[in-house]
Amino acid sequence: AQRVTQPEKLLSVFKGAPVELKCNYSYSGSPELFWYVQYSRQRLQLLLRHISRESIKGFTADLNKGETSFHLKKPFAQEEDSAMYYCALISGGYQKVTFGTGTKLQVIP
Amino acid sequence: ETGVTQSPTHLIKTRGQQVTLRCSSQSGHNTVSWYQQALGQGPQFIFQYYREEENGRGNFPPRFSGLQFPNYSSELNVNALELDDSALYLCASSLGRGPTGELFFGEGSRLTVL
Repeated sequence: AQRVTQPEKLLSVFKGAPVELKCNYSYSGSPELFWYVQYSRQRLQLLLRHISRESIKGFTADLNKGETSFHLKKPFAQEEDSAMYYCALISGGYQKVTFGTGTKLQVIP
Repeated sequence: ETGVTQSPTHLIKTRGQQVTLRCSSQSGHNTVSWYQQALGQGPQFIFQYYREEENGRGNFPPRFSGLQFPNYSSELNVNALELDDSALYLCASSLGRGPTGELFFGEGSRLTVL
């Protein structure tokens, strides 16, 4: 069965410091991984997906199949990055998304 | 473009009762998925509907059932409520049944079972 693990419930960093939100996954097939974000008083929304290899709001994530990881990184944290971040994996022939338990990122001014 | 809307936003039920939650999908989307999010947890997949048929289901008992209507709106029904059913129920819409992973979420219905 597939599983997504986010080891940190809370990550606090100072503004301007680098950010790394950890995500590890377990899946027997070829994984498709995503990061979702939920800002305060907003709905859950897609941040980025690994197949797009894009940078969104300065965030990037690289899929490392050897370490089964998909960590989210940003070189310089901004206050507006404070939010709940969920790593997610898609499996099956439909839109079944398996979410991790989430990491709350708190950027200290 | 209208986003995903859910109703009611909050409700309280007692053990053994039944509940119906409603969802209107984003304009143009034909697929609806339902997720349960317990406190401190990530969303858990309940099931997905595509063109009025269930085409994927997570590890939830049969007392969790759903419907999708011709206008692609959807209902989640839960029978014989248990205390552990207390959670935020999220509806997400998407285009097509295939696994794009891009889900558009509603704000959720918070169910409390006493």
